[in-house]
Amino acid sequence: GAVVSQHPSWVICKSGTSVKIECRSLDFQATTMFWYRQFPKQSLMLMATSNEGSKATYEQGVEKDKFLINHASLTLSTLTVTSAHPEDSSFYICSAAGPSLDTQYFGPGTRLTVL
Amino acid sequence: AQSVTQLDSHVSVSEGTPVLLRCNYSSSYSPSLFWYVQHPNKGLQLLLKYTSAATLVKGINGFEAEFKKSETSFHLTKPSAHMSDAAEYFCVVFSGRDSSYKLIFGSGTRLLVRP
Repeated sequence: GAVVSQHPSWVICKSGTSVKIECRSLDFQATTMFWYRQFPKQSLMLMATSNEGSKATYEQGVEKDKFLINHASLTLSTLTVTSAHPEDSSFYICSAAGPSLDTQYFGPGTRLTVL
Repeated sequence: AQSVTQLDSHVSVSEGTPVLLRCNYSSSYSPSLFWYVQHPNKGLQLLLKYTSAATLVKGINGFEAEFKKSETSFHLTKPSAHMSDAAEYFCVVFSGRDSSYKLIFGSGTRLLVRP
């Protein structure tokens, strides 16, 4: 299967700072990328869907001004958690898909801890 | 609306014995169903995928799942558990209607394999 990377794999930051997480599809062009959030011992919840060159579509209840998503190229999407607070601490996972949206390749995830 | 329900939060088996992870789905049309596995600190890996071609789907690592429309089930099985199978397993349905295309994850089942 295709390879998707995330950077960083973990990050610790102070409350009030912003954190950027990168998601890259290494060996294919991803028309669409997805961002998920996973709390400890819980399932994955879709946060937003992003298509290259257009604005992301956020799921209900996800603050678009807090979780900024940029999908500037077919191989890179970024998630910026702005003014992070302890309740934003979570495991963030991205996935990338080509033309067939039901076939998603997942990154290894980024663990964010906000102090 | 599509949804999946994983009936067991934890399943414990002895090495070498069969594995059964249960999943029921709800869908107003023929669904695309998946099983993913998540090992600690690793990305999600696709085990298998059902898209109406055949009701018995064979996946990687000896896993298979059977789609039963009459029971709205898509249970995951393996004849003989291996220690390396210990992980979190997610049953997933693809929602592809009304301009909203996304994977919907079940709550997960943690598989424990006893030596």
